[in-house]
Amino acid sequence: AAGVIQSPRHLIKEKRETATLKCYPIPRHDTVYWYQQGPGQDPQFLISFYEKMQSDKGSIPDRFSAQQFSDYHSELNMSSLELGDSALYFCASSSPGGVAGSSYNEQFFGPGTRLTVL
Amino acid sequence: DQQVKQNSPSLSVQEGRISILNCDYTNSMFDYFLWYKKYPAEGPTFLISISSIKDKNEDGRFTVFLNKSAKHLSLHIVPSQPGDSAVYFCAARRFGNEKLTFGTGTRLTIIP
Repeated sequence: AAGVIQSPRHLIKEKRETATLKCYPIPRHDTVYWYQQGPGQDPQFLISFYEKMQSDKGSIPDRFSAQQFSDYHSELNMSSLELGDSALYFCASSSPGGVAGSSYNEQFFGPGTRLTVL
Repeated sequence: DQQVKQNSPSLSVQEGRISILNCDYTNSMFDYFLWYKKYPAEGPTFLISISSIKDKNEDGRFTVFLNKSAKHLSLHIVPSQPGDSAVYFCAARRFGNEKLTFGTGTRLTIIP
């Protein structure tokens, strides 16, 4: 079965550079979520999109922006990178129908992009 | 402010025995709880979930118990198998809010 695809899998950048992370959701999934997991920490919610509109916002720095495109893929743009941005960035997607018998839409995670800022 | 806590960073269990992973939460607005399993170099994989209107949900070898009054949930894996060795994250969400709040994870090691 198709899963969430993230690219690149690894990215190395210098301080003050920019980075763009891409996420391709599972086909027919219309909602995309971005999470950041620092070393030894739990994943922290950054932002989500539903039908190309921002649906929720978490602890996302102003230096970061994201959008969801007409084909439902999403990109997380990160500018003025700092050492503290080094983390694993996960994208997750969910479907409009959710899980049978549940009113909640389960989130399926991609493998993540490991960003290292030097 | 860690709203979802997993106080055991690691746990070792003999193969065939029961593994019990614990999770506590502080936000009484959470009404849906999930367990995710994560292998190295992979994203979290959904395991099992439970709504706050239930106190138990079972799926094969995995059972999740929820004690709302204690704001505590646990994941039972029985019998434990070597392939269960992974990091397990507890997560919670509020009604009407899609985002997940994760715990810090517990690394489970199954000893053959």
